[in-house]
Amino acid sequence: QVQLQESGPGLVKPSETLSLTCTVSGGSVSSNRYYWGWIRQPPGKGLEWIGSIYYSGSTYYNSSLKSRVTISGDTSKNQFSLKLTSVTAADTAVYYCARLSSGWFSWGQGTLVTVSS
Amino acid sequence: SYVLTQPPSVSVAPGKTARLTCGGDNIETKNVHWYQQKSGLAPVLVIHYNNDRPSGIPERFSGSNSGNTATLTISRVEAGDEADYYCQVWDNISDDVFFGGGTKLTVL
Repeated sequence: QVQLQESGPGLVKPSETLSLTCTVSGGSVSSNRYYWGWIRQPPGKGLEWIGSIYYSGSTYYNSSLKSRVTISGDTSKNQFSLKLTSVTAADTAVYYCARLSSGWFSWGQGTLVTVSS
Repeated sequence: SYVLTQPPSVSVAPGKTARLTCGGDNIETKNVHWYQQKSGLAPVLVIHYNNDRPSGIPERFSGSNSGNTATLTISRVEAGDEADYYCQVWDNISDDVFFGGGTKLTVL
């Protein structure tokens, strides 16, 4: 059973870059069976897909965030990462990493990132 | 872009049946997945591929998808079913993912 664990700073200053890493166990980010993705949830609000990466390195981003988002993979560490630039208070959210398998997600536990000076 | 529309809230008495809808243009052509999210926890998949239950999900949970509406049905509702429910689709052409806005299920 795949397990995913998010890690990274819980507090980021406005205008800076949010960086998170997802460590995968029980599965391989280099598998051609899956995509790996990031989803976020602002406090009290719904789920928002940020983007996904395929084993080949191909990336797919939510059009509303595309200009600020980069998702990358590190097969040697079995990890994938999220970078979100020029953050504002609106980017405060619980960030989840997840495995996308035939269209549905298996989720990490999530990590709260607060944007504040 | 593809819009999924869910009612913000549904209320049901214990033991009754809850029907949570997810509207989308010609949604019947897509595979719809449903997640349950309890307060403070990560979402949990309760239905995938429109009407399949993952292992460990009670038979009380079922799904359907026809026309422009997908439906998650919860039979014999229990207090423990109180949660937010989200529908989700994956566009396998663009590889984009779309979530509905979520429905808060309240057990009276």
